[in-house]
Amino acid sequence: RKEVEQDPGPFNVPEGATVAFNCTYSNSASQSFFWYRQDCRKEPKLLMSVYSSGNEDGRFTAQLNRASQYISLLIRDSKLSDSATYLCVVTIFGNEKLTFGTGTRLTIIP
Amino acid sequence: ETGVTQSPTHLIKTRGQQVTLRCSSQSGHNTVSWYQQALGQGPQFIFQYYREEENGRGNFPPRFSGLQFPNYSSELNVNALELDDSALYLCASSLNQLPSTDTQYFGPGTRLTVL
Repeated sequence: RKEVEQDPGPFNVPEGATVAFNCTYSNSASQSFFWYRQDCRKEPKLLMSVYSSGNEDGRFTAQLNRASQYISLLIRDSKLSDSATYLCVVTIFGNEKLTFGTGTRLTIIP
Repeated sequence: ETGVTQSPTHLIKTRGQQVTLRCSSQSGHNTVSWYQQALGQGPQFIFQYYREEENGRGNFPPRFSGLQFPNYSSELNVNALELDDSALYLCASSLNQLPSTDTQYFGPGTRLTVL
């Protein structure tokens, strides 16, 4: 079983729609959680951290369910510029590496 | 921009050759981590260097080796290249060695093609 699993997509969504991505992780010792965004042929960039209480940044909302080992990302009022691959990332406290999912590819259609 | 630079941007090698990739970390950062990203996959952790010492290694064979210099820039060396080594190689710098507490900033990557 992969440490971090995501639906690879692709998700093709009309502009203005709401889209949700899910991610599950296998290691119950996972401590920190992130969503990264990666544009085509570019490096990953941190989109937002994910907290147990849930957190929001503008049109983006991230949720964490530790009991189910599940992370989600919701994008509201999607824009053409949201087209990218979204990577779910976890770390274990005291461990030096980021563990990435395979990414979910999103295309916003005009 | 993150302030992390990598060179070269693209590289083509043949099987069996050796390659060296370079990374300059963001000013003030003493930790560099290297990741391999194959097409259609997420980045996979290769190893991390903290204050010139290897500080953790992923599931990669010994032919993947690295180095960190006193100015905290870093090199990734791959010997005896195989076709499956074709990938985007990313380095990430951070203030400390624990990504759970400190953001890692990625460079633009080096795209390696092995023929």
